[in-house]
Amino acid sequence: SQTIHQWPATLVQPVGSPLSLECTVEGTSNPNLYWYRQAAGRGLQLLFYSVGIGQISSEVPQNLSASRPQDRQFILSSKKLLLSDSGFYLCAWSVNEGQPQHFGDGTRLSIL
Amino acid sequence: QQPVQSPQAVILREGEDAVINCSSSKALYSVHWYRQKHGEAPVFLMILLKGGEQKGHEKISASFNEKKQQSSLYLTASQLSYSGTYFCGTELSGTSYGKLTFGQGTILTVHP
Repeated sequence: SQTIHQWPATLVQPVGSPLSLECTVEGTSNPNLYWYRQAAGRGLQLLFYSVGIGQISSEVPQNLSASRPQDRQFILSSKKLLLSDSGFYLCAWSVNEGQPQHFGDGTRLSIL
Repeated sequence: QQPVQSPQAVILREGEDAVINCSSSKALYSVHWYRQKHGEAPVFLMILLKGGEQKGHEKISASFNEKKQQSSLYLTASQLSYSGTYFCGTELSGTSYGKLTFGQGTILTVHP
């Protein structure tokens, strides 16, 4: 069966520090991968998606970047965090369009 | 572009029914429904595809009106475990790469 792992679960970082969040999927090949952010009490906002190794599309201009160095690995990064980067970051995967998306457990990021 | 969910919040007693609506101004390929418990990741409930049938499992079902670009989630004989925030995610027709745009969520509270 397919599983998705996301870490760390919680992260507290100072303003201006770098960020690296990792997501890996097991049990499937060439999944579509997605990064979402959820502000407190709000809906999910799509940040990035990837349909293959090295293929990254950004949905909103921001202080973050994403990379997909391997088929089932998706990384969210920042060189300098801003206060507005706080939130709940979720990685998700799907087989293809028209298929369910399955989410990792998420990373709760607090910027101080 | 964000789908509009209604109502924003629902309070029920165990055993009562509820309907949550999701409406889009764009032509949709699919509508996804998720439930999120406080502090957790969203969990996939069901997907409705353009041209597909009404879906359901146990006491939760959903429909998709393609002419109106509207979907409804039906929860019957609600249980305490149904409490949470329900999100619809819409996938546009055309090449979407499975990208979802989520509504703002409907908070469902079930009391004993």
